[in-house]
Formats: sequence, C-alpha cells, structure tokens
Amino acid sequence: AQSVTQLGSHVSVSEGALVLLRCNYSSSVPPYLFWYVQYPNQGLQLLLKYTTGATLVKGINGFEAEFKKSETSFHLTKPSAHMSDAAEYFCAVGSNDYKLSFGAGTTVTVRA
Amino acid sequence: GAVVSQHPSRVICKSGTSVKIECRSLDFQATTMFWYRQFPKQSLMLMATSNEGSKATYEQGVEKDKFLINHASLTLSTLTVTSAHPEDSSFYICSAAGHLNTEAFFGQGTRLTVV
Repeated sequence: AQSVTQLGSHVSVSEGALVLLRCNYSSSVPPYLFWYVQYPNQGLQLLLKYTTGATLVKGINGFEAEFKKSETSFHLTKPSAHMSDAAEYFCAVGSNDYKLSFGAGTTVTVRA
Repeated sequence: GAVVSQHPSRVICKSGTSVKIECRSLDFQATTMFWYRQFPKQSLMLMATSNEGSKATYEQGVEKDKFLINHASLTLSTLTVTSAHPEDSSFYICSAAGHLNTEAFFGQGTRLTVV
C-alpha cells in the first residue's frame, strides 16, 4: 500500500521568496515520486519525478525536489516565487504499475 | 512527453442521462489507462484501472455498473457515466501508460455537471 501526506493545505509566500512544499510518503516497495501542478479547471502538469538514480531532481519552472529515503520525504522547493506559481500542487507516489496515490494537495498563493 | 487527449473538456447533462468521456493516447500505445475523479477543492481519487482488451479493475466503493469503462484499443479508453445524478458532478481525469514509459501521462480532464 502507498500513501502520501502533504503538510500544509495552504502556503502563502511573497514574490521572490522561497517556496517549500512538504511531502512525506509511505510505500512498501521502492517508490516512484512525483510533483504535479494544477491550475483551475485544468489537468495535471508534471513538475518533476523521481524513479531511480540521483536523489536531487530538477524540474520545470525552477522547481526541484530531493528524495530522502531515511526521512521518507520528497519536499518541493523553488528559490524565488513568481506570481505565476500560484496554483494547486500535488505530491504523488507510485511504482512501476503506473498507478498513483495523491496527497491532499497544497494551494500556493503568491503575494506581490 | 507523450500526449493524452481527453474529450470533452466540459459537459453538462440532465439528471438520468448518460455521458461518455474519451481518453486517447495520441503518440504512443497505452496498454494501461486510469480514471480518476476529483471533487472541488479535493485531491484525485483513483476510480479504476483498465488494460487493453480486458475488464477494468475498480477501486473499492466505485460502482462498476454506473461507471462503465471500455479499453477496446491501445489508444482509446472511454468512461461512461450512466444515469448521471447531480452528485456525479465532478472533474474526471484519465491517465495512460505504455510498456516503455516510466510514468503515466494525464489528459486535460473533463468537467461534468449534472443538472
């Protein structure tokens, strides 16, 4: 069984400030980990993923995440927030069967 | 990345009618497709998994007679919401994966409103 916990349902940051979204997972098999962004009434856009290899993963739009097995975490960061980063973010865990379990989501708002 | 197209993007139907949603993989063969449902302000919940040429596997609590899934080809899966009711109003999203993929790719989603 796999599950994801996203700490913080809502994060508010100032434009230019660090964005940090927390994700912890539970998995009985080696996990595949994903971060997606969703804008209102749209589908999911993949930001980045970890399957194997390097534990620091760089994604699109300046986002990156680090897989820490000892902490069962996969936190998402971006050094400098932009107004266009305001959206809903989902962490997900899966394996090689392509099925995903999603976290509850974190809404990011960016203050000018 | 691979492209998955979902149609329609929005649909409004009357209570008691049926609605069909299509999910197509445009540039790869999707051996497995997934259907998710997302209620407002909530996360995505897996409804069912379909493999080409076989019956779909439904998650616990999902009525298979209400949500009919067909995966008749390697590029198309359909979800039919039968006898729709207002409580079926939701955002439905599909994803698709082939043998060579390391992830499943998502469609754009379908906003279903039952009035």
